[in-house]
Amino acid sequence: TQLLEQSPQFLSIQEGENLTVYCNSSSVFSSLQWYRQEPGEGPVLLVTVVTGGEVKKLKRLTFQFGDARKDSSLHITAAQPGDTGLYLCAGDGSNYQLIWGAGTKLIIKP
Amino acid sequence: DVKVTQSSRYLVKRTGEKVFLECVQDMDHENMFWYRQDPGLGLRLIYFSYDVKMKEKGDIPEGYSVSREKKERFSLILESASTNQTSMYLCAAHSPPMGLAQYFGPGTRLTVL
Repeated sequence: TQLLEQSPQFLSIQEGENLTVYCNSSSVFSSLQWYRQEPGEGPVLLVTVVTGGEVKKLKRLTFQFGDARKDSSLHITAAQPGDTGLYLCAGDGSNYQLIWGAGTKLIIKP
Repeated sequence: DVKVTQSSRYLVKRTGEKVFLECVQDMDHENMFWYRQDPGLGLRLIYFSYDVKMKEKGDIPEGYSVSREKKERFSLILESASTNQTSMYLCAAHSPPMGLAQYFGPGTRLTVL
């Protein structure tokens, strides 16, 4: 069974700090996606990484896919209150289904 | 952008009631999914559909059924609601030519009393 573990489960930091959240598995994935979910809304796709070692940047967010395609990280530089939300990683499963991590709940305090 | 709408944002029902959750997508996507989301458990797949009248069980189908009579509409049915079905329900749509990204509705927060 493929599983994705996200850490930490919860993170609360001050505006302006940097942070990294992790998404780890013992299984290899062809691709990994990161979503952000704001309170009361559905998840929204941020990025898809498909190549081992790949790094993608989205403004202050940097996503990395591990060389072995078993893990991924999300680094946020100079966090802002607008970054608050639940960050979910998801790996490709069978029949177009996704394997979901439990999420990291991030709170950025002004 | 893909737009996925869900019939209700909040719903309160009583134990034993039959509950219908509706989901509509506007981009002709083949695949549609129903998830429930509970704190600390992430998204768990209830059912998915890859075509009209086609459905497959997900990880937690017990107590639920689905209907897809038209491509744009995917309904989740709780035949006899129970308190342990209190949860956030999320619908998503996906089109294989567009990759693996799923597009979600805003969710329905269901409370069963």
